Amino acid sequence: KAGVTQTPRYLIKTRGQQVTLSCSPISGHRSVSWYQQTPGQGLQFLFEYFSETQRNKGNFPGRFSGRQFSNSRSEMNVSTLELGDSALYLCASSLGGSSNEQFFGPGTRLTVL
Amino acid sequence: TQLLEQSPQFLSIQEGENLTVYCNSSSVFSSLQWYRQEPGEGPVLLVTVVTGGEVKKLKRLTFQFGDARKDSSLHITAAQPGDTGLYLCAGAAGGTSYGKLTFGQGTILTVHP
Repeated sequence: KAGVTQTPRYLIKTRGQQVTLSCSPISGHRSVSWYQQTPGQGLQFLFEYFSETQRNKGNFPGRFSGRQFSNSRSEMNVSTLELGDSALYLCASSLGGSSNEQFFGPGTRLTVL
Repeated sequence: TQLLEQSPQFLSIQEGENLTVYCNSSSVFSSLQWYRQEPGEGPVLLVTVVTGGEVKKLKRLTFQFGDARKDSSLHITAAQPGDTGLYLCAGAAGGTSYGKLTFGQGTILTVHP
């Protein structure tokens, strides 16, 4: 079974731009969660989607948004990029229960200049 | 807000030594997962523990979930250089906390040949 895939793997943007990251979950998984990983804050939860609906959201500003498509693929968007948005963005898929195991993709490394 | 305190932050040991990583919280988790992450990659799931007092073994790795489901430990016997990496514990609160894992800050393990 193929794992979680994320595209692109690397991105370089400048302040003020916006970016869209993509995630394809493991086949059969209907839940996709997004995390931001930085050296200072570690892994922090952004939001989770299940059946095209956002079920849970972390403490990030509204510049961070996401969506999920009917095939469970998900995208996250960051608008008006700031230097502090530089991070590894990880998505994880699971079957969808609140305590289900999550399987992570390789991440997208975003650098904001 | 649930927090997971992971210790130690850094471990540098010689091949063949044993080590233990701890993950503690004042909150109860419905399950706890341990991951290992290599630089530039996403976390890879090692194990999930669900029942208080549960012990799981994965070759030289032993995972334990505290009786009250507030703490966990990872013990590695006879560490090898291939065990080098970032180890992360992550707790699922259950209930309506869909898709949200709370992560510890991680333990960077270096095993010298």
